[in-house]
Amino acid sequence: SQTIHQWPATLVQPVGSPLSLECTVEGTSNPNLYWYRQAAGRGLQLLFYSVGIGQISSEVPQNLSASRPQDRQFILSSKKLLLSDSGFYLCAWTGRVAYNSPLHFGNGTRLTVT
Amino acid sequence: QQPVQSPQAVILREGEDAVINCSSSKALYSVHWYRQKHGEAPVFLMILLKGGEQKGHDKISASFNEKKQQSSLYLTASQLSYSGTYFCGLQSAYGGSQGNLIFGKGTKLSVKP
Repeated sequence: SQTIHQWPATLVQPVGSPLSLECTVEGTSNPNLYWYRQAAGRGLQLLFYSVGIGQISSEVPQNLSASRPQDRQFILSSKKLLLSDSGFYLCAWTGRVAYNSPLHFGNGTRLTVT
Repeated sequence: QQPVQSPQAVILREGEDAVINCSSSKALYSVHWYRQKHGEAPVFLMILLKGGEQKGHDKISASFNEKKQQSSLYLTASQLSYSGTYFCGLQSAYGGSQGNLIFGKGTKLSVKP
């Protein structure tokens, strides 16, 4: 069966520090991968998606970036965090045919920028 | 364009019914419904792919009115475990960036004993 791992679960970082969140998927090949962010009490905002290794599309301009160095690995990064980067970050995957495939979310990373 | 969900919040007693609506200003290709418990990741409930399609999952069902560009989630005989925030995710086309889900702000459902 497919599983998605995301870490760390919680993170407290000072403003201006770098960020690296990692996500890996097991039990499937060629998944579509996504990074979502959820601000406190808000909806899910799509940040990045990837349909293959090295293929990254950004949905929202920001100081975050994403990379996909391997088929089932997705990384979210920042060189300098802002206070507004605080939130609940969720990695997710779908099958290759995304229109009839549900989003499977990781357990999320709660990031607090101080 | 973010879909609009209504109501924003609803409080029920166990056994009562509820309807959550999700509407869009764009033509829809599919609708997804998810439930999120506090502090947890969203969990998939169902996908509706065709106009007029209805799906059911235990006592939770949904409809998709392609013409009206809206979907409704029906929760009947609610249980305490139904509590959480419900999100609809809309897909406006097949493939590419338009194939990505855009989520509403959510509807917070609280079921009381």
